[in-house]
Amino acid sequence: QVQLVESGGGVIQPGRSLRLSCAASGFNFSRFGMHWIRQAPGKGLEWVAVISYDGTNEFQADSVKGRFTISRDNSKNTLFLQMNSLRAEDTAVYYCAKGGSSRFWESDYWGQGTLVTVSS
Amino acid sequence: DIQMTQSPSSLSASVGDRVTITCRASQGISKYLAWFQQKPGKAPKSLIYAASNLQSGVPSKFSGRGSGTDFTLTISSLQPEDFATYYCQQYDTYPPTFGQGTKVEIK
Repeated sequence: QVQLVESGGGVIQPGRSLRLSCAASGFNFSRFGMHWIRQAPGKGLEWVAVISYDGTNEFQADSVKGRFTISRDNSKNTLFLQMNSLRAEDTAVYYCAKGGSSRFWESDYWGQGTLVTVSS
Repeated sequence: DIQMTQSPSSLSASVGDRVTITCRASQGISKYLAWFQQKPGKAPKSLIYAASNLQSGVPSKFSGRGSGTDFTLTISSLQPEDFATYYCQQYDTYPPTFGQGTKVEIK
């Protein structure tokens, strides 16, 4: 079965950097796009970024453009999110999600998430 | 960006009730709508994709309908494990966007 395990979250000061990882198993990782989606405490869901199956195409939300970079290592079945210039408003649980089969923007299975807290 | 509006924002229902949640898109999204269920402290779980298709393993008490701008999620007979927050999401165009959520509580 699809399994996605995020790691790398923690407490970080504003302006600093953090890299999240997502280890994937149970499906052919190199054949699917992958997403990051976040949820601020007590709030709704916000899509963050997507990367194509081969890493050649990536898109980010305007709120993180220029600060966050999504990447992947298909040889290690791992997805990454490099987060730079972190702000208090980036505080959230970050979920990685497997892309769906029809549209580039579709996601289906999600990991359990990793909490990022940006605070001085 | 396409705005997704769910109604109601919350509802109280009893075990056995039939419940319907509505999601409206600010512009047409064809059939590219998904529904997710989230329980407290847990990750969202995909229930329905392409407006009306059940994800593998999701019980048939869940059903989805709609196309274009108006969509519904129906739970035919509410059970204790169904009390959760439900989100719709459009994945037709960039950026994919979510509704604000509908919290289903026990009456």
